[in-house]
Amino acid sequence: DAGITQSPRHKVTETGTPVTLRCHQTENHRYMYWYRQDPGHGLRLIHYSYGVKDTDKGEVSDGYSVSRSKTEDFLLTLESATSSQTSVYFCAISEKRAVNTGELFFGEGSRLTVL
Amino acid sequence: SQQGEEDPQALSIQEGENATMNCSYKTSINNLQWYRQNSGRGLVHLILIRSNEREKHSGRLRVTLDTSKKSSSLLITASRAADTASYFCATGSNTGNQFYFGTGTSLTVIP
Repeated sequence: DAGITQSPRHKVTETGTPVTLRCHQTENHRYMYWYRQDPGHGLRLIHYSYGVKDTDKGEVSDGYSVSRSKTEDFLLTLESATSSQTSVYFCAISEKRAVNTGELFFGEGSRLTVL
Repeated sequence: SQQGEEDPQALSIQEGENATMNCSYKTSINNLQWYRQNSGRGLVHLILIRSNEREKHSGRLRVTLDTSKKSSSLLITASRAADTASYFCATGSNTGNQFYFGTGTSLTVIP
């Protein structure tokens, strides 16, 4: 299994509080992605990174920010959590650009509940 | 939305039967990938087909790609109860780094 660790795996928080999810990889892969998974919507791309300090927005980036200061860590931050951000968040990594031939490896997910 | 769409949303079959699920997408692609997700787990890569390929096999999996129709299909032959999972197609445009997943097909294989 690819070395991807997401933390925390479960979190319950209140509306308006900041939340940071961490993705840590031991594969030295260049590309990292954050997706959210919701019933009826499948997986939706929030942000991705194509290198240290190189990040870009996905299709549902509003309300989220990311940082990648080291190859191995990709942080997803909800500055002020809202109930609509209740979801399961998945981190993924790939060695090559996925749109070319890069296979994505996924973490086990982080379940976030915003009350 | 940039996502692909899988069809059907849910599929229930008897063990031993074949399962076919379809994916439609919107952009020009370099490759299309299929992933599997067991309940409560992360996604696992199954197979990749390049835009210049029309068919690909891997074990009991057969994938076809029709770029003129922007569609792909995944066939699982001789299904097993252990194949019960959700299946997603994923694509990206041939420019940029964004990579999108469809909404998934939930497959139930009844023993």
